[in-house]
Amino acid sequence: KAGVTQTPRYLIKTRGQQVTLSCSPISGHRSVSWYQQTPGQGLQFLFEYFSETQRNKGNFPGRFSGRQFSNSRSEMNVSTLELGDSALYLCASSLKASGIYEQFFGPGTRLTVL
Amino acid sequence: TQLLEQSPQFLSIQEGENLTVYCNSSSVFSSLQWYRQEPGEGPVLLVTVVTGGEVKKLKRLTFQFGDARKDSSLHITAAQPGDTGLYLCAGEDNNNDMRFGAGTRLTVKP
Repeated sequence: KAGVTQTPRYLIKTRGQQVTLSCSPISGHRSVSWYQQTPGQGLQFLFEYFSETQRNKGNFPGRFSGRQFSNSRSEMNVSTLELGDSALYLCASSLKASGIYEQFFGPGTRLTVL
Repeated sequence: TQLLEQSPQFLSIQEGENLTVYCNSSSVFSSLQWYRQEPGEGPVLLVTVVTGGEVKKLKRLTFQFGDARKDSSLHITAAQPGDTGLYLCAGEDNNNDMRFGAGTRLTVKP
């Protein structure tokens, strides 16, 4: 079974630009969560999508948005990039089976904002 | 303030030594996971514990879930350089949200 894939793996942008990151979950997984990871803040939850609906949202500004398609693939978008948005963006998919919530992560997209 | 507190934050040991890292919270979790992350990669799920007092073994790694389901520990026996990485614990809270600790960065020197 193929794992979670994320594209692109690396991205360099300049301040003020916008970026779209893509995530393909494990086949059959309907839940996709996005996280931002930085050395100072660790893993910070951005949002979770389940069956094309945003189920939960972390404490990030409105510049961060996402969506999920009918095939469970998900995208996240960051507009008006700031230097502080430089981070590893991780996507995780989950089956969300009864009672146990296990997440499987992709390799991440390393975003550098200059 | 992290909902899940991990300690120590950094740990550097010699190959062959034993170590324990901790994950503590004042909240109860319905399940708790341990992940290991290597530089530039996503976290890899090691284990999920669900029952209070549960102990799971994965080769040289032993995971324990506290009786009250508020804390967990990871013990590694005879550490090897391949064990080097960032160890993260994550818990599913009563709202079915996943919370992550800040991690323990382990370095095992040959």
